Amino acid sequence: DAKTTQPPSMDCAEGRAANLPCNHSTISGNEYVYWYRQIHSQGPQYIIHGLKNNETNEMASLIITEDRKSSTLILPHATLRDTAVYYCIVRPHPFSSGSARQLTFGSGTQLTVLP
Amino acid sequence: NAGVTQTPKFQVLKTGQSMTLQCAQDMNHEYMSWYRQDPGMGLRLIHYSVGAGITDQGEVPNGYNVSRSTTEDFPLRLLSAAPSQTSVYFCASSIQPGARGSPLHFGNGTRLTVT
Repeated sequence: DAKTTQPPSMDCAEGRAANLPCNHSTISGNEYVYWYRQIHSQGPQYIIHGLKNNETNEMASLIITEDRKSSTLILPHATLRDTAVYYCIVRPHPFSSGSARQLTFGSGTQLTVLP
Repeated sequence: NAGVTQTPKFQVLKTGQSMTLQCAQDMNHEYMSWYRQDPGMGLRLIHYSVGAGITDQGEVPNGYNVSRSTTEDFPLRLLSAAPSQTSVYFCASSIQPGARGSPLHFGNGTRLTVT
Protein backbone atom coordinates (compact mmCIF):
# COMPACT_ATOMS: atom_id res chain seq x y z
CA ASP A 1 0.00 0.00 0.00
CA ALA A 2 1.06 3.56 -0.63
CA LYS A 3 2.06 5.38 2.53
CA THR A 4 1.20 9.04 3.01
CA THR A 5 3.17 11.94 4.42
CA GLN A 6 1.53 14.99 5.95
CA PRO A 7 2.87 17.98 7.89
CA PRO A 8 2.23 17.54 11.61
CA SER A 9 0.52 20.90 12.09
CA MET A 10 -0.80 23.96 10.27
CA ASP A 11 -2.55 27.18 11.25
CA CYS A 12 -5.14 29.06 9.25
CA ALA A 13 -6.97 32.33 9.85
CA GLU A 14 -10.71 32.09 10.18
CA GLY A 15 -12.46 32.86 6.89
CA ARG A 16 -9.39 32.07 4.80
CA ALA A 17 -8.81 28.96 2.71
CA ALA A 18 -7.00 26.11 4.42
CA ASN A 19 -4.78 24.07 2.08
CA LEU A 20 -3.64 20.76 3.53
CA PRO A 21 -1.01 18.85 1.55
CA CYS A 22 -0.42 15.12 1.37
CA ASN A 23 2.33 13.18 -0.36
CA HIS A 24 1.63 9.67 -1.60
CA SER A 25 4.50 9.13 -4.00
CA THR A 26 4.15 5.32 -4.12
CA ILE A 27 0.44 5.33 -4.92
CA SER A 28 -0.75 2.59 -7.26
CA GLY A 29 -3.10 3.02 -10.18
CA ASN A 30 -6.03 1.39 -8.38
CA GLU A 31 -5.71 3.39 -5.15
CA TYR A 32 -8.09 6.18 -4.20
CA VAL A 33 -7.09 9.12 -2.02
CA TYR A 34 -9.38 9.68 0.95
CA TRP A 35 -9.49 12.51 3.45
CA TYR A 36 -10.96 12.26 6.93
CA ARG A 37 -10.89 14.53 9.92
CA GLN A 38 -11.13 13.89 13.62
CA ILE A 39 -12.39 16.49 16.01
CA HIS A 40 -11.11 15.93 19.52
CA SER A 41 -12.31 12.65 21.06
CA GLN A 42 -14.82 11.94 18.28
CA GLY A 43 -14.75 9.26 15.59
CA PRO A 44 -13.13 10.21 12.27
CA GLN A 45 -15.42 11.89 9.78
CA TYR A 46 -15.25 11.29 6.04
CA ILE A 47 -14.62 14.45 3.98
CA ILE A 48 -13.92 13.60 0.36
CA HIS A 49 -12.15 11.14 -1.93
CA GLY A 50 -10.87 10.92 -5.48
CA LEU A 51 -8.95 8.80 -7.93
CA LYS A 52 -7.35 11.17 -10.42
CA ASN A 53 -9.78 13.98 -11.13
CA ASN A 54 -10.30 16.95 -8.86
CA GLU A 55 -13.36 16.60 -6.67
CA THR A 56 -15.59 19.04 -4.81
CA ASN A 57 -18.40 18.56 -2.35
CA GLU A 58 -20.17 20.69 0.22
CA MET A 59 -17.30 20.34 2.68
CA ALA A 60 -14.13 20.67 0.65
CA SER A 61 -12.25 20.36 -2.62
CA LEU A 62 -9.61 17.78 -3.43
CA ILE A 63 -6.87 18.56 -5.91
CA ILE A 64 -4.81 15.57 -7.10
CA THR A 65 -1.67 16.20 -9.15
CA GLU A 66 -1.49 14.75 -12.62
CA ASP A 67 1.10 12.15 -11.58
CA ARG A 68 -1.09 11.36 -8.53
CA LYS A 69 1.89 11.52 -6.21
CA SER A 70 0.40 14.26 -4.07
CA SER A 71 -2.90 15.90 -3.26
CA THR A 72 -4.26 18.96 -1.48
CA LEU A 73 -7.40 19.23 0.56
CA ILE A 74 -8.91 22.71 0.41
CA LEU A 75 -11.36 24.06 2.96
CA PRO A 76 -12.46 27.22 1.14
CA HIS A 77 -13.57 29.31 4.13
CA ALA A 78 -12.21 27.80 7.33
CA THR A 79 -14.18 28.25 10.53
CA LEU A 80 -13.23 27.58 14.13
CA ARG A 81 -15.24 24.33 13.91
CA ASP A 82 -12.78 23.08 11.27
CA THR A 83 -10.05 22.80 13.91
CA ALA A 84 -9.26 19.07 13.85
CA VAL A 85 -6.70 16.45 12.86
CA TYR A 86 -6.91 15.78 9.12
CA TYR A 87 -5.92 12.38 7.78
CA CYS A 88 -5.01 11.52 4.21
CA ILE A 89 -5.05 7.82 3.34
CA VAL A 90 -5.00 5.73 0.20
CA ARG A 91 -7.26 2.76 -0.23
CA PRO A 92 -7.11 0.33 -3.14
CA HIS A 93 -10.03 -0.88 -5.23
CA PRO A 94 -10.80 -3.70 -5.45
CA PHE A 95 -10.04 -4.24 -1.81
CA SER A 96 -7.82 -7.28 -1.49
CA SER A 97 -6.94 -8.96 1.78
CA GLY A 98 -3.28 -8.14 1.43
CA SER A 99 -3.88 -4.46 0.87
CA ALA A 100 -6.38 -4.15 3.71
CA ARG A 101 -3.93 -5.40 6.30
CA GLN A 102 -1.97 -2.14 6.31
CA LEU A 103 -4.82 0.36 6.25
CA THR A 104 -3.45 2.75 8.82
CA PHE A 105 -4.16 6.44 9.20
CA GLY A 106 -0.77 7.82 10.17
CA SER A 107 -0.48 10.85 12.44
CA GLY A 108 -2.33 13.35 10.24
CA THR A 109 -2.14 17.15 10.26
CA GLN A 110 -3.42 19.13 13.22
CA LEU A 111 -5.19 22.12 11.67
CA THR A 112 -5.82 25.00 14.02
CA VAL A 113 -8.14 27.74 12.77
CA LEU A 114 -7.31 31.00 14.49
CA PRO A 115 -9.89 33.74 15.17
CA ASN B 1 -30.16 5.06 10.22
CA ALA B 2 -28.13 5.00 13.42
CA GLY B 3 -24.91 4.40 11.45
CA VAL B 4 -22.16 2.65 13.41
CA THR B 5 -22.93 2.08 17.08
CA GLN B 6 -20.27 1.14 19.60
CA THR B 7 -20.84 0.00 23.16
CA PRO B 8 -19.77 0.63 25.82
CA LYS B 9 -18.48 4.20 25.56
CA PHE B 10 -16.13 3.74 28.52
CA GLN B 11 -14.68 0.66 30.20
CA VAL B 12 -12.15 0.01 32.94
CA LEU B 13 -10.63 -3.46 33.22
CA LYS B 14 -8.11 -5.08 35.49
CA THR B 15 -5.14 -6.86 33.97
CA GLY B 16 -6.13 -10.36 32.92
CA GLN B 17 -9.84 -9.70 32.60
CA SER B 18 -11.66 -10.36 29.37
CA MET B 19 -14.34 -8.37 27.66
CA THR B 20 -16.07 -7.81 24.34
CA LEU B 21 -16.41 -4.45 22.62
CA GLN B 22 -19.58 -4.33 20.58
CA CYS B 23 -19.99 -2.80 17.13
CA ALA B 24 -23.18 -2.76 15.06
CA GLN B 25 -24.08 -1.03 11.81
CA ASP B 26 -27.46 -0.70 10.12
CA MET B 27 -26.29 0.34 6.66
CA ASN B 28 -25.92 -3.20 5.26
CA HIS B 29 -22.19 -2.63 4.87
CA GLU B 30 -20.11 -5.66 3.96
CA TYR B 31 -16.78 -4.30 5.18
CA MET B 32 -16.20 -3.73 8.91
CA SER B 33 -13.03 -3.03 10.82
CA TRP B 34 -11.56 -2.23 14.23
CA TYR B 35 -8.91 0.40 14.91
CA ARG B 36 -7.11 1.49 18.03
CA GLN B 37 -5.85 5.00 18.65
CA ASP B 38 -3.24 5.77 21.26
CA PRO B 39 -2.69 9.31 22.55
CA GLY B 40 -1.24 11.63 19.91
CA MET B 41 -1.17 8.93 17.28
CA GLY B 42 -3.14 7.93 14.25
CA LEU B 43 -5.40 4.91 13.88
CA ARG B 44 -3.98 1.42 13.52
CA LEU B 45 -5.97 -1.45 12.05
CA ILE B 46 -6.54 -4.39 14.39
CA HIS B 47 -8.85 -6.75 12.48
CA TYR B 48 -11.24 -6.43 9.59
CA SER B 49 -13.96 -8.36 7.80
CA VAL B 50 -15.07 -8.24 4.17
CA GLY B 51 -18.32 -10.08 4.85
CA ALA B 52 -20.15 -12.42 7.22
CA GLY B 53 -17.98 -15.39 8.10
CA ILE B 54 -14.77 -13.76 6.81
CA THR B 55 -12.23 -12.04 9.04
CA ASP B 56 -8.55 -11.18 8.72
CA GLN B 57 -5.78 -9.56 10.69
CA GLY B 58 -4.70 -5.97 10.41
CA GLU B 59 -1.50 -4.30 11.53
CA VAL B 60 -1.80 -4.92 15.30
CA PRO B 61 -3.93 -8.07 15.86
CA ASN B 62 -2.16 -9.62 18.86
CA GLY B 63 -4.32 -9.91 21.97
CA TYR B 64 -7.59 -9.46 20.08
CA ASN B 65 -10.10 -11.82 18.49
CA VAL B 66 -13.02 -11.09 16.19
CA SER B 67 -15.89 -12.94 14.58
CA ARG B 68 -18.49 -11.94 12.01
CA SER B 69 -21.57 -14.13 12.25
CA THR B 70 -23.93 -11.49 10.81
CA THR B 71 -23.55 -8.56 8.42
CA GLU B 72 -24.57 -6.12 11.14
CA ASP B 73 -22.28 -7.06 14.04
CA PHE B 74 -18.52 -7.22 14.45
CA PRO B 75 -17.50 -7.70 18.10
CA LEU B 76 -13.90 -7.32 19.28
CA ARG B 77 -12.78 -9.60 22.12
CA LEU B 78 -9.93 -8.97 24.51
CA LEU B 79 -9.06 -12.38 25.92
CA SER B 80 -6.72 -11.28 28.72
CA ALA B 81 -6.47 -7.52 29.02
CA ALA B 82 -3.06 -5.90 29.43
CA PRO B 83 -2.16 -2.27 30.27
CA SER B 84 -0.74 -1.94 26.74
CA GLN B 85 -4.29 -2.31 25.45
CA THR B 86 -5.35 0.94 27.10
CA SER B 87 -6.55 2.93 24.12
CA VAL B 88 -9.53 4.32 22.27
CA TYR B 89 -11.11 1.76 19.96
CA PHE B 90 -13.01 2.72 16.83
CA CYS B 91 -15.18 0.51 14.68
CA ALA B 92 -15.72 1.44 11.03
CA SER B 93 -17.75 0.09 8.14
CA SER B 94 -18.14 0.66 4.42
CA ILE B 95 -19.72 -0.82 1.36
CA GLN B 96 -17.53 -3.24 -0.54
CA PRO B 97 -15.15 -1.03 -2.53
CA GLY B 98 -16.41 -0.33 -6.00
CA ALA B 99 -15.69 1.90 -8.91
CA ARG B 100 -16.95 5.00 -7.12
CA GLY B 101 -15.03 4.46 -3.88
CA SER B 102 -16.22 3.44 -0.45
CA PRO B 103 -15.77 5.87 2.45
CA LEU B 104 -15.42 4.45 5.93
CA HIS B 105 -18.13 5.33 8.47
CA PHE B 106 -16.85 5.41 12.04
CA GLY B 107 -18.46 4.92 15.41
CA ASN B 108 -17.78 7.29 18.30
CA GLY B 109 -15.35 4.99 20.01
CA THR B 110 -14.88 2.98 23.19
CA ARG B 111 -12.39 4.36 25.70
CA LEU B 112 -10.72 1.43 27.44
CA THR B 113 -8.43 1.66 30.45
CA VAL B 114 -6.61 -1.43 31.72
CA THR B 115 -5.13 -1.12 35.21
